[in-house]
Amino acid sequence: AQSVTQPDIHITVSEGASLELRCNYSYGATPYLFWYVQSPGQGLQLLLKYFSGDTLVQGIKGFEAEFKRSQSSFNLRKPSVHWSDAAEYFCAAYYGNKLVFGAGTILRVKS
Amino acid sequence: DGGITQSPKYLFRKEGQNVTLSCEQNLNHDAMYWYRQDPGQGLRLIYYSQIVNDFQKGDIAEGYSVSREKKESFPLTVTSAQKNPTAFYLCASSIEAGRNEAFFGQGTRLTVV
Repeated sequence: AQSVTQPDIHITVSEGASLELRCNYSYGATPYLFWYVQSPGQGLQLLLKYFSGDTLVQGIKGFEAEFKRSQSSFNLRKPSVHWSDAAEYFCAAYYGNKLVFGAGTILRVKS
Repeated sequence: DGGITQSPKYLFRKEGQNVTLSCEQNLNHDAMYWYRQDPGQGLRLIYYSQIVNDFQKGDIAEGYSVSREKKESFPLTVTSAQKNPTAFYLCASSIEAGRNEAFFGQGTRLTVV
């Protein structure tokens, strides 16, 4: 099945702590992978994308993600979380011409 | 400014009525997409279009219809056959399907009463 899995529905971290959000994709995904962020009631904003080349990609707002083909994963990381990072995060991958999204991870930040 | 415009932001309809959601882009993108978002389910693909006058069903197309008569427009009709139409609907576009990142509109929240 064409699916993108985000195992964590909610994650809570303290402000200043590091963050890792997990994403796994099923067999058949093309090597075009994305992370998006959504604030409540809004559209999605692209954080970063992987197309090819270096498996560690940098994005906006200090986020980075690492593509690991052997693990079918594309995990999102940030060294130090800010309160403004609280939002919902979505991982996405292309299956042919279909852009498929995971169920999302809601990030809460404790002060 | 280039972007994707969805209108209206909020829409209320009575059960049994068809309703059309608007999506317009001025990014000169070939591909356009419609997603439905429900809490805890992420974004589910309803329809997508790779080019003008062509579109394909996504994963949850039943009860929905689309048209792509112009490059910049991809309206979605929620028909009375859609059993649970109340949701947040997101439109997106990309330069080319299958490779490029998608850019999203601000969404339309449809409530059917």
